[in-house]
Amino acid sequence: EDKVVQSPLSLVVHEGDTVTLNCSYEVTNFRSLLWYKQEKKAPTFLFMLTSSGIEKKSGRLSSILDKKELFSILNITATQTGDSAIYLCAGGGGSEKLVFGKGTKLTVNP
Amino acid sequence: NAGVTQTPKFQVLKTGQSMTLQCAQDMNHEYMSWYRQDPGMGLRLIHYSVGAGITDQGEVPNGYNVSRSTTEDFPLRLLSAAPSQTSVYFCATLMAPANTEAFFGQGTRLTVV
Repeated sequence: EDKVVQSPLSLVVHEGDTVTLNCSYEVTNFRSLLWYKQEKKAPTFLFMLTSSGIEKKSGRLSSILDKKELFSILNITATQTGDSAIYLCAGGGGSEKLVFGKGTKLTVNP
Repeated sequence: NAGVTQTPKFQVLKTGQSMTLQCAQDMNHEYMSWYRQDPGMGLRLIHYSVGAGITDQGEVPNGYNVSRSTTEDFPLRLLSAAPSQTSVYFCATLMAPANTEAFFGQGTRLTVV
């Protein structure tokens, strides 16, 4: 059965800190790893990763995939209170569905 | 451009009642799915569809039915609501098989009393 595991489940930091969120996966016929940010409503798309070792960046956020070790990380530098959210990782594979992890709840204190 | 539209946004049901959560998309995506989200549990897949006339079960299908008669619509039916089905429900669509971003509706918060 496909599985996605995120760690830590919860994280509290101060503004300006750098955080690393982890995502490991076991997905049959793996195709892609996706990261989402969820505040009060629906998840919003951050990154999609399909190739190992190629970093994707958007402002202070970056992510990379390791297909050999079956994991991905999401880095956020110089955190701000607006980064407080649940970060979700999802794996997509040959079964044509996305399997989500439980999420990491990030709290950034001023 | 509406994207993915879910209705209703909020619903309170009594135990044993039935209802249908609606999901409509105007992006011509083949793949549609329903997730439920409970505190600390992430998003769990209920049912999904790879095209009109084709549906399959996800991780937590019990107590729910779906059908896909058109590309645009993917309703989720609760047959006999139970308090364990109190949750936030999200409909999501994908353009291609699991290798593109998923587009989410705004969610339906369901409470079963």
